[in-house]
Parts: sequence; structure tokens; C-alpha cells
Amino acid sequence: GIQVEQSPPDLILQEGANSTLRCNFSDSVNNLQWFHQNPWGQLINLFYIPSGTKQNGRLSATTVATERYSLLYISSSQTTDSGVYFCAVEQGDAGGTSYGKLTFGQGTILTVHP
Amino acid sequence: KAGVTQTPRYLIKTRGQQVTLSCSPISGHRSVSWYQQTPGQGLQFLFEYFSETQRNKGNFPGRFSGRQFSNSRSEMNVSTLELGDSALYLCASSLGVWSGELFFGEGSRLTVL
Repeated sequence: GIQVEQSPPDLILQEGANSTLRCNFSDSVNNLQWFHQNPWGQLINLFYIPSGTKQNGRLSATTVATERYSLLYISSSQTTDSGVYFCAVEQGDAGGTSYGKLTFGQGTILTVHP
Repeated sequence: KAGVTQTPRYLIKTRGQQVTLSCSPISGHRSVSWYQQTPGQGLQFLFEYFSETQRNKGNFPGRFSGRQFSNSRSEMNVSTLELGDSALYLCASSLGVWSGELFFGEGSRLTVL
């Protein structure tokens, strides 16, 4: 199956700093999503971005599908940005075996200090 | 628009018991997927249902099963619970068309003693 690798595994920042999280995947994808997991465990949708670039406030994401990677940018970080960020992909060219099946990376644990 | 609703949020069971978890998808969504999250294995796909049919299944033993009702609500069941089944179980819903965005509920946290 498809492999998803996220880097860095841990990231510690001071409030106001910028950061870039990376997601590499081993095969073509139909779907790529970035999530932020809150302290209660819920996965909050950040971006649905199988290709291209999107921005939402201080966050933006870029997926270069042909080179099999995606980047999540966080600018002017705040303490509320702390938590775990996951990249998840749905493998492409898998016929019906990919329905509803996201393969997750291991996550990046972000800690933002005041 | 209400999000994905999972019940119960927390539960404690003992080894050998069984458990049923419920998931109500976003209105209009016809696909429901289930995931297990543990510290050791991360987030893993269990199964996916669309229009009451299981379309996809992950690599979990037969003790893990699910079903979907005509109103798209879904349940998953784990029988003969083991300590290793302690986990956060997450449900996600989507429109169900080929390759759509998934939206997750808050999860059901199961502890097996």
C-alpha cells in the first residue's frame, strides 16, 4: 500500500514564528487532506488539496502531485496552533479499494511557546 | 449544519466483553468510514460503508465489524475485547462520490481493562 511520511516529527516554536511541515507519499493520490488533531482527539479539517495551492488565513498548503509531496505552511504561529498535524492520502489508481480509505502519516507534533 | 456525531464519547469495558459504537454522518453524506487510533500504530483504517454496503475493509480481525443503516447512520462492533483494543475510534463521513473530502467526528475513546 501507499506510504506516507511526515517531517519533522516534532517542532518547537516561539509565538510569531513561521513553520513548514512536509508530507511525502509513495504513489499517486486521488485525495490529500491536512488535519489538526485537537487535545480532545477530534481531527479538524485544514485543507483538502490533492493538487495545487490553497490559503486559509495564516495557513496555506501546496501539493505537487507529480513529485509526490505536500507542504503545510503556518505563519505567525500562535499557542493555539499547538497540537498534532496529520497528512492523509487516498491512493489513486486503486480501483474500488480506495473508497473512504485514508492512509495517515505519523504526524508532526507542534508546540508553540508564548 | 451539524457535524459528524459519535456516541458514546467515553466507555470502559473489561476483556471478553463486546462494544457497539455509533456514528451519525453529516446530513446528505452517504459514506461512513471508521478508523482506530493508538499510540503505537497511529491512525488505521477499519472499514467503509456506502448505501448500507461495505465497500472497503482494512486489515483487522473478524472481531471488528460494522454496518450501515438506510439513514446512513453506522455502527461498529468489537467482540471479545482485548486489552489492545483500547483506542480512540474515529468515524468520518463524506458524500461518497469517488475521492471526496472526509469529515471526522470527535471520536469514542474505549478503555479495555
